Amino acid sequence: DAGVIQSPRHEVTEMGQEVTLRCKPISGHDYLFWYRQTMMRGLELLIYFNNNVPIDDSGMPEDRFSAKMPNASFSNLKIQPSEPRDSAVYFCASRTTGWGSEAFFGQGTRLTVV
Amino acid sequence: LAKTTQPISMDSYEGQEVNITCSHNNIATNDYITWYQQFPSQGPRFIIQGYKTKVTNEVASLFIPADRKSSTLSLPRVSLSDTAVYYCLVANNNAGNMLTFGGGTRLMVKP
Repeated sequence: DAGVIQSPRHEVTEMGQEVTLRCKPISGHDYLFWYRQTMMRGLELLIYFNNNVPIDDSGMPEDRFSAKMPNASFSNLKIQPSEPRDSAVYFCASRTTGWGSEAFFGQGTRLTVV
Repeated sequence: LAKTTQPISMDSYEGQEVNITCSHNNIATNDYITWYQQFPSQGPRFIIQGYKTKVTNEVASLFIPADRKSSTLSLPRVSLSDTAVYYCLVANNNAGNMLTFGGGTRLMVKP
């Protein structure tokens, strides 16, 4: 398996524009997580899904953020409208069910909002 | 939710053994301990995990005392490429708990 695949790797956009980040989890994994990482706040869990259903979105900072998982092989995270403070690296991770199962992270998307 | 506390940073030299200790005083019976490593511009990567006593793999060892209120990640004979941030996590069957990261320990290995 190619691992967790995120796209794009880098995104530069203007304030006010819609941004869509994409993630393909590892096949067979039934948990998917979205994280945001900044120097100031570290790694923050935004939302996670189990079997394509959102379980906990308490980490989503504002209504401008939304995430969906229409099927087991794809998830997206949207920011609309984007703001400069949304600039960060966004990671997607997946894992299987089970006590102690390892989580695998993608390479991340570096988002810059100017 | 068990909170973890670990040093913000550590320095070491090539060839030395490095021990990073994490405190988790409120660990619950069903919790296990997991360590991740993160290099710059990459996502975190699983290193090792355990429940009690000692666990060893090809990368590191994890020591957990009987009371499980702390754990120590041991990296034998570090090299420059071990420079990274190391995260200690305490988790249980709840997937959200499993992946709640703290601040991590920034390890700098010097030549």
